[in-house]
Amino acid sequence: GDSVTQMEGPVTLSEEAFLTINCTYTATGYPSLFWYVQYPGEGLQLLLKATKADDKGSNKGFEATYRKETTSFHLEKGSVQVSDSAVYFCALSPFSSNTGKLIFGQGTTLQVKP
Amino acid sequence: DSGVTQTPKHLITATGQRVTLRCSPRSGDLSVYWYQQSLDQGLQFLIQYYNGEERAKGNILERFSAQQFPDLHSELNLSSLELGDSALYFCASSAPAGSGANVLTFGAGSRLTVL
Repeated sequence: GDSVTQMEGPVTLSEEAFLTINCTYTATGYPSLFWYVQYPGEGLQLLLKATKADDKGSNKGFEATYRKETTSFHLEKGSVQVSDSAVYFCALSPFSSNTGKLIFGQGTTLQVKP
Repeated sequence: DSGVTQTPKHLITATGQRVTLRCSPRSGDLSVYWYQQSLDQGLQFLIQYYNGEERAKGNILERFSAQQFPDLHSELNLSSLELGDSALYFCASSAPAGSGANVLTFGAGSRLTVL
């Protein structure tokens, strides 16, 4: 079945460092891909999405490009801030799905130190 | 505030008991999804309702059931509770099909502790 694999955390960075969180997926066809973020004590919030190959999603300085050839959707940010500390989830919506359900990766905890 | 409201925020109960979690979707959204988040299992999809009808079922135990009412709010019923049911339960909603249907908006969650 469809699945999402993320790099294990926690990822600990200093402020202004470059961030990459790896995400790869297994799916048939062309799923839609998402990054969600969960701040402490809160629900998940959509960070960015991409719906077809080579699309780049971006928001709040974060970017991810839908790479069909490598089945990847890695999250990047050029300069992280302490306020970016959170858990990041990669997710996919199956291509053939007539529902909106998402399949999530395990989540990657990011800790940014001043 | 995401617009998705979940109650209660915290719930502590004993094994063998039954609880009900409630969710009000964002205004205009017809779909409601329930997810369970635990440390060992991550985010697991439980069930989806669309405009009052069950649309998709995931890893939902037989002890769990859900429904969506005519006013579109949803309830997740958990019975014969076990220690392993302790988790964060999230509700999410999405817009009608064809208008950003696969973008989910999550509530803040209900944290269930079974003692």
